[in-house]
Amino acid sequence: DAKTTQPPSMDCAEGRAANLPCNHSTISGNEYVYWYRQIHSQGPQYIIHGLKNNETNEMASLIITEDRKSSTLILPHATLRDTAVYYCIAASANAGKSTFGDGTTLTVKP
Amino acid sequence: EPEVTQTPSHQVTQMGQEVILRCVPISNHLYFYWYRQILGQKVEFLVSFYNNEISEKSEIFDDQFSVERPDGSNFTLKIRSTKLEDSAMYFCASRVLQGYGYTFGSGTRLTVV
Repeated sequence: DAKTTQPPSMDCAEGRAANLPCNHSTISGNEYVYWYRQIHSQGPQYIIHGLKNNETNEMASLIITEDRKSSTLILPHATLRDTAVYYCIAASANAGKSTFGDGTTLTVKP
Repeated sequence: EPEVTQTPSHQVTQMGQEVILRCVPISNHLYFYWYRQILGQKVEFLVSFYNNEISEKSEIFDDQFSVERPDGSNFTLKIRSTKLEDSAMYFCASRVLQGYGYTFGSGTRLTVV
């Protein structure tokens, strides 16, 4: 897995968009960018993934730069329940494992 | 929405005892995983399992660990002789195909005393 770098923490006001950056400058051509989050001690929850095109689902949007060296996860209208640790992972589709880093602790404030 | 189910939610065991952690992956998923998270630390990969055999394992997954899919629905992690340092949250995960995201269970908190 390519190494990813995320800020350790971020704050966001409730109702505003949360933009979580991730740097993966050594990502290889066959590696996807995956995002998960972990609320307290629960199991990680899959959010979204992409290869090079921007992706959107009911939870979030993923913006990947053209050179694929960085990406941004966007939660369009953050709620208090979005407070969690967010993990960005770069891994190939046939990787047998995913390497979780320290992630970004997002705190959504009222 | 389909879920990965893990039992028990919390298990306390004495050092040296064997434990079996149980998981029921999502029924149409083909790839199965165990991860663990020691309190305050990162989520760590233990093992991946596909087509009834281990496809990859980490250095943590030594001879004390084993996995099994005994009946086509359950997926178990056995620790033969538990150590204090095995105390952690153990998460089972599955995915339908490679390339898709994992669905994780809610975890089993293992406490070795």
